[in-house]
Amino acid sequence: QKEVEQNSGPLSVPEGAIASLNCTYSDRGSQSFFWYRQYSGKSPELIMFIYSNGDKEDGRFTAQLNKASQYVSLLIRDSQPSDSATYLCAVKRSDNDMRFGAGTRLTVKP
Amino acid sequence: EPEVTQTPSHQVTQMGQEVILRCVPISNHLYFYWYRQILGQKVEFLVSFYNNEISEKSEIFDDQFSVERPDGSNFTLKIRSTKLEDSAMYFCASSEATGNQPQHFGDGTRLSIL
Repeated sequence: QKEVEQNSGPLSVPEGAIASLNCTYSDRGSQSFFWYRQYSGKSPELIMFIYSNGDKEDGRFTAQLNKASQYVSLLIRDSQPSDSATYLCAVKRSDNDMRFGAGTRLTVKP
Repeated sequence: EPEVTQTPSHQVTQMGQEVILRCVPISNHLYFYWYRQILGQKVEFLVSFYNNEISEKSEIFDDQFSVERPDGSNFTLKIRSTKLEDSAMYFCASSEATGNQPQHFGDGTRLSIL
């Protein structure tokens, strides 16, 4: 079983729509969860992090965490073409060991 | 906004040679990390470093790898005898603290082994 699983996509949404990105993780003891965005050829860029069950909102982004289901999601409201990128889910197995999923490629069509 | 800087941006090395990748973490950060990303694959954790010691390392970080903080600002990754499969993008990251604190990534060094 992969440590962090994401649907590889591509996920295609029209401009202005909500994009929903999902992630599951295998280590039930994981405590911190991160979403990064990676444009092609660039480094991961932090979008949000969450460590309590429930929702956390930051502008157009909402992260959702359900530790019982070992599930993390990211919603992007009012998607823009500039949001087109690969979205990486990252999970800390311990204080300093963070593991990434393979990423979901999102395309927002004008 | 402060950022993590990495040099060089691209390194080309002959197989079997040693290579050193350099990073300057964000100045008030205490925890440092190296990751690699083979082309088309996921970002993989290599090692974390705190207080001049390795705090955690992955199964990838074997004896050919080493890390060092040679002075107050630089953090380096050395690969002793490079192999073709070491070709990848290497990212340095730093964080202010551990646990829930996010890690901030540099732009990476693309390592090409010939």
